Amino acid sequence: DAGVIQSPRHEVTEMGQEVTLRCKPISGHDYLFWYRQTMMRGLELLIYFNNNVPIDDSGMPEDRFSAKMPNASFSTLKIQPSEPRDSAVYFCASSPSGGGGELFFGEGSRLTVL
Amino acid sequence: GEDVEQSLFLSVREGDSSVINCTYTDSSSTYLYWYKQEPGAGLQLLTYIFSNMDMKQDQRLTVLLNKKDKHLSLRIADTQTGDSAIYFCAGIDRGSTLGRLYFGRGTQLTVWP
Repeated sequence: DAGVIQSPRHEVTEMGQEVTLRCKPISGHDYLFWYRQTMMRGLELLIYFNNNVPIDDSGMPEDRFSAKMPNASFSTLKIQPSEPRDSAVYFCASSPSGGGGELFFGEGSRLTVL
Repeated sequence: GEDVEQSLFLSVREGDSSVINCTYTDSSSTYLYWYKQEPGAGLQLLTYIFSNMDMKQDQRLTVLLNKKDKHLSLRIADTQTGDSAIYFCAGIDRGSTLGRLYFGRGTQLTVWP
């Protein structure tokens, strides 16, 4: 398996623009997580899905952020409108049922909002 | 939820042992984990320990768990420059049956040749 695939790897955009980050989890994994990593706050869980259903979105910073999982092999994290404080590395991770805490992370999408 | 604390930086010389420490608040965490993040990459599971164990050894890695003090440590023997990375301690929230992890801030390990 190719692992968790994220795109784009790097995104530079201007404040106010819409940003869409994409994730393809490992086939057969029932859980999908979106994390954000910054120097100031470390690794933060934004939202996670189980069988394509959002379970906990309490980490989503505000209404400008939204996440979807239309099917088992694809998820998006959208920021609209983007702001400079959204600059971070966004990670997607997936996990199988009964996998305890073993998460499989993608390589991340580095977002810079100017 | 779970609160996990780690020191942010550690520097060692190549060949020495490294010890990375972590404290956590949730005494009923079932599993405790160490993840490694290399530059420009995502996190990878390094090792884990069940809460009913005191120690786990895996080649150069030794995990020690002190449940009374809620203290977890990762010892890397014969540290190599390739071990330079950020190491995250993580635990499972006791309120979640779905494997939701709480991560510490990460410890940046720098290994000097």
